[in-house]
Amino acid sequence: GENVEQHPSTLSVQEGDSAVIKCTYSDSASNYFPWYKQELGKRPQLIIDIRSNVGEKKDQRIAVTLNKTAKHFSLHITETQPEDSAVYFCAARESYNQGGKLIFGQGTELSVKP
Amino acid sequence: EAQVTQNPRYLITVTGKKLTVTCSQNMNHEYMSWYRQDPGLGLRQIYYSMNVEVTDKGDVPEGYKVSRKEKRNFPLILESPSPNQTSLYFCASSLFGTANTEAFFGQGTRLTVV
Repeated sequence: GENVEQHPSTLSVQEGDSAVIKCTYSDSASNYFPWYKQELGKRPQLIIDIRSNVGEKKDQRIAVTLNKTAKHFSLHITETQPEDSAVYFCAARESYNQGGKLIFGQGTELSVKP
Repeated sequence: EAQVTQNPRYLITVTGKKLTVTCSQNMNHEYMSWYRQDPGLGLRQIYYSMNVEVTDKGDVPEGYKVSRKEKRNFPLILESPSPNQTSLYFCASSLFGTANTEAFFGQGTRLTVV
């Protein structure tokens, strides 16, 4: 089955700096890669996703890149703000003939210092 | 409003006392799943269901049961809870077999087993 590794586990940046979180996956058949943000005491919520036929996707200050050959994908947050502080999870969805399970990374706790 | 609703939000129980955590979604999603969240381990899937009367084990199914008698409901049952099941639990739902596979999460249930 799919396995997703996420790094780093914690990340501290100054307000205005960029933050990068990286994930690797093991199953080349996985075709959907979402990123979730979980604020303290709240549920995970989707912030951006990318499908395997696309190499990069951007939405304002956040962007995701996917390298299918190397089986890794990354989240980039530019001009970070204190409200970006949260736990971020990457995930990979298995192919549906494997059950279509969404496998999550271990999470990255991002702290943006004013 | 499209949502996934879990109940209860908080639960303290004693070892061995059967409990059920309910999950309901109003988006007509085929795919539903349960996760547990523990520090440093991310979100680990307990059970999932691809449609009514179809359920399967995730990565950490021991000690849990589920049922899917109706499309909207996917209860999680702990027949004999133990302290190692103390965790934060999330239910999630998504469409199945389409390009739009965002997972929507419930509010979470914080379970303590003493």
